[in-house]
Amino acid sequence: KAGVTQTPRYLIKTRGQQVTLSCSPISGHRSVSWYQQTPGQGLQFLFEYFSETQRNKGNFPGRFSGRQFSNSRSEMNVSTLELGDSALYLCASSAQADLYGYTFGSGTRLTVV
Amino acid sequence: GESVGLHLPTLSVQEGDNSIINCAHSNSASDYFIWYKQESGKGPQFIIDIRSNMDKRQGQRVTVLLNKTVKHLSLQIAATQPGDSAVYFCAENLSGNTPLVFGKGTRLSVIA
Repeated sequence: KAGVTQTPRYLIKTRGQQVTLSCSPISGHRSVSWYQQTPGQGLQFLFEYFSETQRNKGNFPGRFSGRQFSNSRSEMNVSTLELGDSALYLCASSAQADLYGYTFGSGTRLTVV
Repeated sequence: GESVGLHLPTLSVQEGDNSIINCAHSNSASDYFIWYKQESGKGPQFIIDIRSNMDKRQGQRVTVLLNKTVKHLSLQIAATQPGDSAVYFCAENLSGNTPLVFGKGTRLSVIA
């Protein structure tokens, strides 16, 4: 079966712009989590959605937001982009209602110039 | 490929040798631990997991050891192969309602 699909794979944006990233979880998975990966900070948790509700939120500014649709697909949005937002954004889905381990997508590489 | 960590600790091993990757987990109350492997250009891939009520778990060529007393987790890879070259992350959960918290990662380089 198909894995976690993230689109686009690569993105270049200018400072001040906003961006929307998309994640389609594995079919039947209802929990979607987002992580930011940078060389300096490693994998940092952004937020997690389950059945269209945000259940967990990491320590990121309000410029980072997300949502989940009724088909479990999720989007994350970053407004007013800064150079420091350049990172690999990873989406992961879980079949269970609990968060004991996820399956990750290949990520979206965002570069802010 | 994409760089997932420019300043990661690196472990270099000869092909065929055993590898041991260590991780200090951050919270003594965590009840679940997991190892992921990340190859260049890909997302993290599940390797093996262990619950806090266990101290050892074996998979195919991999073994995870957990010592909660000293908050230490390790991944052992037997007969390391070139395809094992990647960045390895440990992660932990406080509970099923909290997100995975990841360690910084270790780069494993296999010398053929």
